[in-house]
Amino acid sequence: DAKTTQPTSMDCAEGRAANLPCNHSTISGNEYVYWYRQIHSQGPQYIIHGLKNNETNEMASLIITEDRKSSTLILPHATLRDTAVYYCIVRGSGAGSYQLTFGKGTKLSVIP
Amino acid sequence: SQTIHQWPATLVQPVGSPLSLECTVEGTSNPNLYWYRQAAGRGLQLLFYSVGIGQISSEVPQNLSASRPQDRQFILSSKKLLLSDSGFYLCARRTGDNSPLHFGNGTRLTVT
Repeated sequence: DAKTTQPTSMDCAEGRAANLPCNHSTISGNEYVYWYRQIHSQGPQYIIHGLKNNETNEMASLIITEDRKSSTLILPHATLRDTAVYYCIVRGSGAGSYQLTFGKGTKLSVIP
Repeated sequence: SQTIHQWPATLVQPVGSPLSLECTVEGTSNPNLYWYRQAAGRGLQLLFYSVGIGQISSEVPQNLSASRPQDRQFILSSKKLLLSDSGFYLCARRTGDNSPLHFGNGTRLTVT
């Protein structure tokens, strides 16, 4: 699986949009981008994923650049409960996709 | 709904003692199952994954082992725990090639 690079930490004011970047410059054509978050002492929670089109669900939006080398997770109106570590991973399909590697993620702090 | 059960939630074990952590999945057949470990302040490390009963792939050589005696049961074991085995152990499942991982609530293991 392609490697991802994320900032170690970010701050966001409560009620504002949180934009979390992820670089995945070695992504291959069949690899999806997945985002998860982990609140302290809990298991990671799936947020959203996409291949090349932008995606939106009830939690967040995912913007993937046209060359697919980077993406941004957008939390439109951050709340204190969104304070967590956010992980971006890329994964292909088929047999090679069983290995799913998480990095250290971005620690997002939402500030009142 | 598809649910992942992990127990116990917390565990304190002496060095050299055996370990057995159990993960069971509800609401899905033939899932891909995973064991991850998270050491304090670090990202998630993939330990084992299984694509079916009796099929185990190991990602990191260590004194841990995994077994899948039933379709919806995944067990993590050790004959003799080391101090370095302390961490947060997470079970996860995936139901298809492009489906996301879903995690249980984890077991926090402290080896003393």
